[in-house]
Amino acid sequence: DADVTQTPRNRITKTGKRIMLECSQTKGHDRMYWYRQDPGLGLRLIYYSFDVKDINKGEISDGYSVSRQAQAKFSLSLESAIPNQTALYFCATSDSGTSFSTDTQYFGPGTRLTVL
Amino acid sequence: AQKVTQAQTEISVVEKEDVTLDCVYETRDTTYYLFWYKQPPSGELVFLIRRNSFDEQNEISGRYSWNFQKSTSSFNFTITASQVVDSAVYFCALRENSGGYQKVTFGTGTKLQVIP
Repeated sequence: DADVTQTPRNRITKTGKRIMLECSQTKGHDRMYWYRQDPGLGLRLIYYSFDVKDINKGEISDGYSVSRQAQAKFSLSLESAIPNQTALYFCATSDSGTSFSTDTQYFGPGTRLTVL
Repeated sequence: AQKVTQAQTEISVVEKEDVTLDCVYETRDTTYYLFWYKQPPSGELVFLIRRNSFDEQNEISGRYSWNFQKSTSSFNFTITASQVVDSAVYFCALRENSGGYQKVTFGTGTKLQVIP
């Protein structure tokens, strides 16, 4: 079974709808992230969480919110979806480990979201 | 500010040819980490390698090799005897280690097409 799972894998929705993307991990990592990928732009960070009580905005958080329900679960919500939020969304996890941790991020399979 | 440049947007090679994917980075930190990820057509992001700034030894893993040169701020990736399964988008990434949250900056990716 995959260590980082995302649901749904594909979603088509309409402008103005509320959408939730879910991420679960069995890696035991404390840190979790949400990114979006757009063609030609690489990955951009939306939100990140270093533990259940720690939520931080990334570089493109406007229009999004998150919830860290447990160490293993991190959800991304679009309160009122708009077409320019059409993208591939990735969840990632990493382990803070020791003070010299390499903090490698491991990614889920992605959720392809289309907003019409 | 940190920056990662992958100047090659797309590369096409014939199967069994060698190919090098370039990655140039900018950082003010003396301690940092570099990563390569592979994104096959199925869309997931697969971690390939992590290097820290203190270790300039080149690394080889099967047909993959990485050449890290601090003097030119480059971390290039070579695939020897390419195969069709190597067709993917490859991302280079940089993480600084200057305390607090260490943002990971991704390049815009290089799409590699291996032609049979």
